[in-house]
This record gives sequence, C-alpha cells and structure tokens, in this order.
Amino acid sequence: NAGVMQNPRHLVRRRGQEARLRCSPMKGHSHVYWYRQLPEEGLKFMVYLQKENIIDESGMPKERFSAEFPKEGPSILRIQQVVRGDSAAYFCASSPTNGLAEAFFGQGTRLTVV
Amino acid sequence: AQSVAQPEDQVNVAEGNPLTVKCTYSVSGNPYLFWYVQYPNRGLQFLLKYITGDNLVKGSYGFEAEFNKSQTSFHLKKPSALVSDSALYFCAAHKNSGGYQKVTFGTGTKLQVIP
Repeated sequence: NAGVMQNPRHLVRRRGQEARLRCSPMKGHSHVYWYRQLPEEGLKFMVYLQKENIIDESGMPKERFSAEFPKEGPSILRIQQVVRGDSAAYFCASSPTNGLAEAFFGQGTRLTVV
Repeated sequence: AQSVAQPEDQVNVAEGNPLTVKCTYSVSGNPYLFWYVQYPNRGLQFLLKYITGDNLVKGSYGFEAEFNKSQTSFHLKKPSALVSDSALYFCAAHKNSGGYQKVTFGTGTKLQVIP
C-alpha cells in the first residue's frame, strides 16, 4: 500500500505563472487535507476535501488559490499568478473515512517562485 | 478554537541524555493529541498519539509522551537521545468537527542532538 504521493517534489515558477500541485491519497482514504509550511514556521491548514467536495477551505487565501478532489484522479492544489510569498512547502495528508486515525502525510512539494 | 503551543523553537541535548520537547494545548472537550516528526526535506511522520486511557503513551523510535490534563500538556520524551533523533517535531491536536478531523499544529521544535 503506497503512501500519500505528492508530485512534483520541487517546483520552480516565475512570478505570474500558475502552479499545480498533485496529491494522491493512500488507497482507501477519501479525506484529503492540504497544509502550507512557510520557512521557519509550522504547518498551517489550508483546505479539507472529500471526493468531489470541499468541506472546509477556511485556511485558503481568498484569491488565486483553489483546490479540487475529483471523483477520479489526484487532488489538485492550484495557485494562479504566483508571487514570491507563495514560496513554501505544501503538504498533503489523507485519512480514512472512519475517525481519529493519524493523518498520513506526503513528502511535500517545495514551491519556489523566482 | 483549539490551539497548540510549543514554547521552545529549539532544544539541544547531548547524545545519551534524556530529552523533552514541550507541548501545551487548549482544546474544548476531550483532546486528541499527536506528535509528528519531520526530517529534513521530508514529510511528517506519525510518532504517537493520545486518545484516551493511560496518560503515558509509547510510540515509535523509543519516544513516549505524557498527557497531563491539569497542566494541559503533552510533552514528548525519550530516555536516551540519539544523533539520528535530530529533526523538527510537531505537536498537534485533532478534533472531530462536523464529522471530520480538524488538525491544529504547533509551530514546531527543532531538536538538535549533539554527539
């Protein structure tokens, strides 16, 4: 059973470009969470999704950021018109459908905006 | 709203000595507390959790944590530190909210084990 898979591991974008970050949850997990880790800071919750539904996006910036978790395929975190302040590590986590098991994290995507 | 505090940005300890990484929490209702470890350029790995039961929880790699309700603390401990324990440690509180887990992380504590 493969773990949570994130790709790419590293992503470099110029200011104004779009960044697409992918997350494939563990098999059997239908809950996906995205977190952002800024340098020297902890993890900040961004969004929680279930298949085809955004459940909680209270941590997402109102503009330029969007997330989806389609019926088929990975979850996508999309950042439009990236700025230098978007440079961070973005982590995806998944959990099973039934309760308080520990979340399983991917290895993250490190976005650098130049 | 729930919150998790890790008061120390960095902890230095000599190899072979006991280590403690501190965590305090503010959670309404019963707390579900976790520790995760992050090695350089890696994702987070689960170490241990407290849901209910014994206040002393044993986890991976010889780590343990003590839940103290009166002090609202969940400090991570290990009797004898290894150089390979050097990493970033995150305390987290999970709360069931509307049928899903809402996870709040502390800001992390960098553990440096000195040979």
